[in-house]
This record gives sequence, C-alpha cells and structure tokens, in this order.
Amino acid sequence: AQSVTQLGSHVSVSEGALVLLRCNYSSSVPPYLFWYVQYPNQGLQLLLKYTSAATLVKGINGFEAEFKKSETSFHLTKPSAHMSDAAEYFCAVSPFGGGYNKLIFGAGTRLAVHP
Amino acid sequence: DAGVIQSPRHEVTEMGQEVTLRCKPISGHDYLFWYRQTMMRGLELLIYFNNNVPIDDSGMPEDRFSAKMPNASFSTLKIQPSEPRDSAVYFCASSLRQVGQPQHFGDGTRLSIL
Repeated sequence: AQSVTQLGSHVSVSEGALVLLRCNYSSSVPPYLFWYVQYPNQGLQLLLKYTSAATLVKGINGFEAEFKKSETSFHLTKPSAHMSDAAEYFCAVSPFGGGYNKLIFGAGTRLAVHP
Repeated sequence: DAGVIQSPRHEVTEMGQEVTLRCKPISGHDYLFWYRQTMMRGLELLIYFNNNVPIDDSGMPEDRFSAKMPNASFSTLKIQPSEPRDSAVYFCASSLRQVGQPQHFGDGTRLSIL
C-alpha cells in the first residue's frame, strides 16, 4: 500500500534560517506528490505539486521541493524562514493509477519560527 | 473563482443531536472529498464522490455517519446521533477529473459535541 512518512512532527527554526521538512513516500512507480500548508483555523492550502515535468518544483511563498526517485523523497525547503511560515505542513501522494485523485497524507510537521 | 465553501464554520451541540455539515465544491470539479481532522488521528478521509456518486465510504467510522451529494454543487455530511468523540474539524475538498490534479480544501467546520 502507498504511504507517506514525514520525519519530525515538530521542527523549530530561527527567522532567516533554512527550512527543511522531510517527506518520504512508498510507491513502485513515481506518483504525483504534493505539499500543503495549514494555518491555524484554516483549511489546507496547496504549496506545490510534482507531476513529473521537472524534479525541482517551485511553489508559493518561496518554497520549493525536489523529487528524488532514488531516495523516494520529496523534501520541502525554503532558504530563509519568515515568522509567517509558522504553520503545519503536510506531504501527500496521489498513487499512480489509483484514480479519482485520492490523496494519502503524511502525519504533518508543525513548523515553529522564532525570532 | 470562489473556493470550496463549508457551513457552518463552527457547530456546538449536545450529544444525541443530529448534525448536518454542508459543502459547496468549486464549480466544474468532478470529485468531492470529506475529511476529519483530530489531534489524535490526524487527517482522515471519510468518503469521496465522483460526479455525485459515492466511490469509497470505507473511511466512514460508523453507521451514524452518512453523506450525500444530490447535485454537483452541494454535499452534506450527517451525524445522527452525535457523540462527544465525533468532535473534530471536518473538511470538504474538491478536485478536477484529470489524474494528478490537486484537491482544494474549504476552511472546515469545527464541531464540538458536549
């Protein structure tokens, strides 16, 4: 079965520091991959998606993610954290051939940014 | 375009009462998904529809939960009777038909059962 693992349920960084949120997936073929962000009292908002066009994907708010097939990873990065980046981040996979655009979500990583 | 619209945003009710959550998907989207989010269990897919037809309801926790989609622009999730353990945030999401399309989420309904 397809699965998504997010390493670290909580990550804390200083403002201006590099943000690295880790995501690994299990799939026999490259799936579609997504990162979502959830701010307090809001729904999930799409940050970026990988659909095989390019391995480095740029998203909103300065975030990007790199698809590495050999490592089955899709880590999310941002060069310089802002206070406004504090939120919960979810990695998700849409299994190839699964149809219906069903998503399998990771458990989420809560990002804290301190001054 | 308007996003996914959910109502109410907050619902507080007593145990045993019927609860109805509502969702209006993005116009033109073929799929509709209902999720539940709690601290303990995270984000759980309850049920999803394709062109108003339920495809997979294996995530619905009990027979007390039911969902309908009478037309392309409206869906309901009903809990009857409600129990305190149903307290959670319920999200609705919709997506286009093509494989690999992202899901677009509403802002959720925060449900508290006393």
